[in-house]
Amino acid sequence: GAVVSQHPSRVICKSGTSVKIECRSLDFQATTMFWYRQFPKKSLMLMATSNEGSKATYEQGVEKDKFLINHASLTLSTLTVTSAHPEDSSFYICSALGAGTRDTQYFGPGTRLTVL
Amino acid sequence: GENVEQHPSTLSVQEGDSAVIKCTYSDSASNYFPWYKQELGKGPQLIIDIRSNVGEKKDQRIAVTLNKTAKHFSLHITETQPEDSAVYFCARAGNMLTFGGGTRLMVKP
Repeated sequence: GAVVSQHPSRVICKSGTSVKIECRSLDFQATTMFWYRQFPKKSLMLMATSNEGSKATYEQGVEKDKFLINHASLTLSTLTVTSAHPEDSSFYICSALGAGTRDTQYFGPGTRLTVL
Repeated sequence: GENVEQHPSTLSVQEGDSAVIKCTYSDSASNYFPWYKQELGKGPQLIIDIRSNVGEKKDQRIAVTLNKTAKHFSLHITETQPEDSAVYFCARAGNMLTFGGGTRLMVKP
């Protein structure tokens, strides 16, 4: 149980375009979802926390107009990287927290974004 | 602060040996400590966790110990195998997960 999926697993886009990444909890309802960014050989950096039906809470230094987060249902959250630039290239990982999972976060497989 | 310090950053062991990774934290309100294993190009996978009401937890070759007084917790892997090679992250839970810097474990066959 507690499976989280992400789509796409890998995306390459041109500079200036927008990219949407989906995060789904497959077998539980995720009251809270988290979006992380990970640079090579580094730890996970929390970008934002989203609760179903409300606005996301962004960490300091993360541009909310740049990284749009929508958590429209208890099983789906999306991260849209708007007007992507090469410096946005990174590994993006979501995690989900459900009412039945206590404080255990389950992570998705990640999305590798490359902006040319 | 809420930082989690993790050591060592890299660890190389011979197959069959034990590996120990240690983490320290500063927030005394923390009461949940998960450990994640991340393989190259994949998301972190929860391998074991411990809550503040116990001092030790074991699951086959993996064990975690917690010393709340000293604010440190450790991951112990016995009889290491090449497939244990990965990056391991400790974390502590408060309002959110705070991760350690990671340990790259290499198990040499």
